[in-house]
Amino acid sequence: DTGVSQDPRHKITKRGQNVTFRCDPISEHNRLYWYRQTLGQGPEFLTYFQNEAQLEKSRLLSDRFSAERPKGSFSTLEIQRTEQGDSAMYLCASRAEGNEQFFGPGTRLTVL
Amino acid sequence: GDSVTQMEGPVTLSEEAFLTINCTYTATGYPSLFWYVQYPGEGLQLLLKATKADDKGSNKGFEATYRKETTSFHLEKGSVQVSDSAVYFCALTAQGGSEKLVFGKGTKLTVNP
Repeated sequence: DTGVSQDPRHKITKRGQNVTFRCDPISEHNRLYWYRQTLGQGPEFLTYFQNEAQLEKSRLLSDRFSAERPKGSFSTLEIQRTEQGDSAMYLCASRAEGNEQFFGPGTRLTVL
Repeated sequence: GDSVTQMEGPVTLSEEAFLTINCTYTATGYPSLFWYVQYPGEGLQLLLKATKADDKGSNKGFEATYRKETTSFHLEKGSVQVSDSAVYFCALTAQGGSEKLVFGKGTKLTVNP
């Protein structure tokens, strides 16, 4: 399978714990995006990387959120001190210049 | 800021019925417009797109025309099938910049046999 992959697919954690998600984009795609989708809503943009550089961050991305793409390949999204409001589906997408975004299956986070 | 408004769902149709899902947008300049589909248990998939005014995107019998004068990109299909049951999202990317997607809230379609 050469699509976008995300790990884990599901994560249940207790409030106050830290969690980290991983996204592996399609190999030749230099652009990578993170979105968050809550129930009954469309995905909302969180952040964008071009190669290893984080070029844009949404105001939705509070100080508890951090994303990295250290070598311009896979990316991680970390949430510190999780809150119940962080419960959502976290989506990763990648694209090559001039093409559309391809989405991964998402990581569903439940904060108890 | 940029935004997308879709018709509220859910929409329930019988097989072979005509489908329209309305979508209007607010954006400066000339955004690119998209319809994404999310089948049950699957990730988001691009259904069709249009990048300039009067362009028509089409795929799998679905069509949508980029109407600059009405800032709309309505999704249509002449004869729906049970397999079209899914959630449909209208989205845009603004000119230039990161080309992040701005999505509508989604419209759930159920097609009954």
